Amino acid sequence: GDSVTQTEGPVTVSESESLIINCTYSATSIAYPNLFWYVRYPGEGLQLLLKVITAGQKGSSRGFEATYNKETTSFHLQKASVQESDSAVYYCALGPASNTNKVVFGTGTRLQVLP
Amino acid sequence: EAAVTQSPRNKVAVTGGKVTLSCNQTNNHNNMYWYRQDTGHGLRLIHYSYGAGSTEKGDIPDGYKASRPSQENFSLILELATPSQTSVYFCASGDLSYEQYFGPGTRLTVL
Repeated sequence: GDSVTQTEGPVTVSESESLIINCTYSATSIAYPNLFWYVRYPGEGLQLLLKVITAGQKGSSRGFEATYNKETTSFHLQKASVQESDSAVYYCALGPASNTNKVVFGTGTRLQVLP
Repeated sequence: EAAVTQSPRNKVAVTGGKVTLSCNQTNNHNNMYWYRQDTGHGLRLIHYSYGAGSTEKGDIPDGYKASRPSQENFSLILELATPSQTSVYFCASGDLSYEQYFGPGTRLTVL
């Protein structure tokens, strides 16, 4: 079935450093699934960070960027300069999955940003 | 104002007891989902629904039932709760792009 693999956490970086969280996907049921990054801040629920529904396009939000790369089946999340407030758990996801209305999530990457 | 709400927010249950988790959405989305989140497993899909009256098994449906009596409401039912079902449960509605709109979560502890 369809799947998402992302960087295992925890990832620890210092404030103002750059960040990349890798995400690769396998989509056997649909050629161009929609791709998403969600974030869960401490004490809060999950919320959408960014999404891209067209291969080759880039999404951006709150200084984060991710490019939908069909050739490498990747959707890596990047930020040039992280802040302590970016500390959270980040999830890569794709949908639809497996010829259904399901959405498949990666296992999540915990990011800790040191002051 | 919140578009997806869950109740209760916290629940302590006894082994063998029945637990019902409720979810309400005001997004008018056809698709709704129940996930559980555990450390090391990320989000795992339990049940989902295409619309009122429909329920579908997700990836880990054993021990859970679901009910979708209306467009707005989607419940998750644990008929005989077990300690292995201790987790944080998230409900979500999904739009036509499959973007998920999550509720705040329910922390369930089964003793």
